[in-house]
Amino acid sequence: AQSVTQLDSHVSVSEGTPVLLRCNYSSSYSPSLFWYVQHPNKGLQLLLKYTSAATLVKGINGFEAEFKKSETSFHLTKPSAHMSDAAEYFCVVSDLWGKLIFGQGTELSVKP
Amino acid sequence: NAGVTQTPKFQVLKTGQSMTLQCAQDMNHEYMSWYRQDPGMGLRLIHYSVGAGITDQGEVPNGYNVSRSTTEDFPLRLLSAAPSQTSVYFCASTQKDREGETQYFGPGTRLLVL
Repeated sequence: AQSVTQLDSHVSVSEGTPVLLRCNYSSSYSPSLFWYVQHPNKGLQLLLKYTSAATLVKGINGFEAEFKKSETSFHLTKPSAHMSDAAEYFCVVSDLWGKLIFGQGTELSVKP
Repeated sequence: NAGVTQTPKFQVLKTGQSMTLQCAQDMNHEYMSWYRQDPGMGLRLIHYSVGAGITDQGEVPNGYNVSRSTTEDFPLRLLSAAPSQTSVYFCASTQKDREGETQYFGPGTRLLVL
């Protein structure tokens, strides 16, 4: 069975500094992995996805994630945080039938 | 394309009342699903459907029914609402192609059960 663990429930960074949101997954086969962002009282927006092509995946708004099979990780990074990046971020794994398993979420705060 | 639409946006129910959350998509996706979002728990799968006439249970199906009579619509029914069903509900449809899968989420329905 698949599972996903987001290692931090809350991350706080200063504007202009790097962002690292950590995600580990468990899967019995090569997974599809996603990062979604949810701004307050809004729906979910897809940031990026990994589906067994390039291990370094570039997404929207300057975010990227690297799939590391040996570490079963799919951490989300951004070189320089912006105030508008403050939101909740979800790491997600998809099973063979397209069902999504969500991590518990990481709330990102950005200080001016 | 309108994408995935959900109605209503917000609903207040009394314990024991029934209601249907509507979900529709105009992208001809076969796979649709319902999730609930609760603080600190991410999104959890309630029910899903792999095509018209086919539905199955997800992680938290109790208290909810679904049907899929058409490709476009996937309503979620609460037969007898309970305070524990206070949550935000998201409907999603999935596109599968050569590049893998992409899920499209609706804007959500915020439900309060008193």
